[in-house]
Amino acid sequence: GNSVTQMEGPVTLSEEAFLTINCTYTATGYPSLFWYVQYPGEGLQLLLKATKADDKGSNKGFEATYRKETTSFHLEKGSVQVSDSAVYFCAPSEGFGNEKLTFGTGTRLTIIP
Amino acid sequence: SQTIHQWPATLVQPVGSPLSLECTVEGTSNPNLYWYRQAAGRGLQLLFYSVGIGQISSEVPQNLSASRPQDRQFILSSKKLLLSDSGFYLCACHGGASSYNEQFFGPGTRLTVL
Repeated sequence: GNSVTQMEGPVTLSEEAFLTINCTYTATGYPSLFWYVQYPGEGLQLLLKATKADDKGSNKGFEATYRKETTSFHLEKGSVQVSDSAVYFCAPSEGFGNEKLTFGTGTRLTIIP
Repeated sequence: SQTIHQWPATLVQPVGSPLSLECTVEGTSNPNLYWYRQAAGRGLQLLFYSVGIGQISSEVPQNLSASRPQDRQFILSSKKLLLSDSGFYLCACHGGASSYNEQFFGPGTRLTVL
């Protein structure tokens, strides 16, 4: 099955700082790649996704590029806001069929004003 | 788009008591459904998934069970809870062919076993 290695948290940044959360994966198939975000006390929301090599997913100022050669899907944002404080999960899928996701351990991000 | 309902939102139960958590889905038919557990400060662990009524696959050995009595209903159960069953339980639904592998998540149930 798949596995995910995600940047250890917690991460604390000042508002307007540049953010990178690293994610690398191993997969036997050809997965789609996802970043999910979990705000305090809530379920997970899809942040962005990429379904094939070199695709760039983007949403709310966040971006991540599907790098097949390095099996990576690093999350970036140029200028973070206090409202970005949350836990971020990287997750590759297994491909068509059951579409099971393998989640990383999550990275807790705190943005201070 | 899909909407996932979970209840109860929070639950406090004594060790050894039974459990029933319910998940229902709106806005799609014949979805793949998933139960995840998130222990405090940890990532998500897939517990069960279902591709149809009465079809359940278990991902990890445990004292929990799942059932799917209707197309858009997914239930997580236990006959006797353990302390280690405490956590945040999330139901998820695969969005179907048009959403290209995306899963949608419910709001979750926070279970505390005392």
